[in-house]
Amino acid sequence: KQEVTQIPAALSVPEGENLVLNCSFTDSAIYNLQWFRQDPGKGLTSLLLIQSSQREQTSGRLNASLDKSSGRSTLYIAASQPGDSATYLCAVMGGKLIFGQGTELSVKP
Amino acid sequence: DAMVIQNPRYQVTQFGKPVTLSCSQTLNHNVMYWYQQKSSQAPKLLFHYYDKDFNNEADTPDNFQSRRPNTSFCFLDIRSPGLGDAAMYLCATSRGAGGWTDTQYFGPGTRLTVL
Repeated sequence: KQEVTQIPAALSVPEGENLVLNCSFTDSAIYNLQWFRQDPGKGLTSLLLIQSSQREQTSGRLNASLDKSSGRSTLYIAASQPGDSATYLCAVMGGKLIFGQGTELSVKP
Repeated sequence: DAMVIQNPRYQVTQFGKPVTLSCSQTLNHNVMYWYQQKSSQAPKLLFHYYDKDFNNEADTPDNFQSRRPNTSFCFLDIRSPGLGDAAMYLCATSRGAGGWTDTQYFGPGTRLTVL
């Protein structure tokens, strides 16, 4: 059974700092991995999708990496801003989308 | 422009009173999903439609049903809501050709309160 874990559960950083969010999964037989952002009380916004054959994807200040063999993904956020404050969820696709519980990020001005 | 629309955004119902949540999409995607997300928990897949084919998750309670009358619309019916059904309900879509390898696009969610 696939299990997805995100560490840390919460993170607080000062504005301008670069940061890394971690995601690990137990079954490496996945089609892809997706990173989402969720603002309080809102739905999910897809940030990046990495196919299983890819190693990383970039969008603006965001860079996501995938190491299937070790069951890990990271989301790197460069030059963090207060507007980046949200919960970030990773999800792996291997038949259905299995989510981690998220990392709640707070960026302080 | 909104691509996945959910109505209402907030729904209050009474214990045991049937309720229907609505999802529509302008993406013309083949696959539509319903997820339940309880407070501070990960979203959990309830079921999905691939075109008209309904796929129920094994652990989805019988209390939850779904209808998809056409490509654009999908409904979640909760026949007798209990206090434990209070949650955010998320609708998502993805393109066809297997669906599972494609990006899922989520709506804004409907927050359900059960009194």
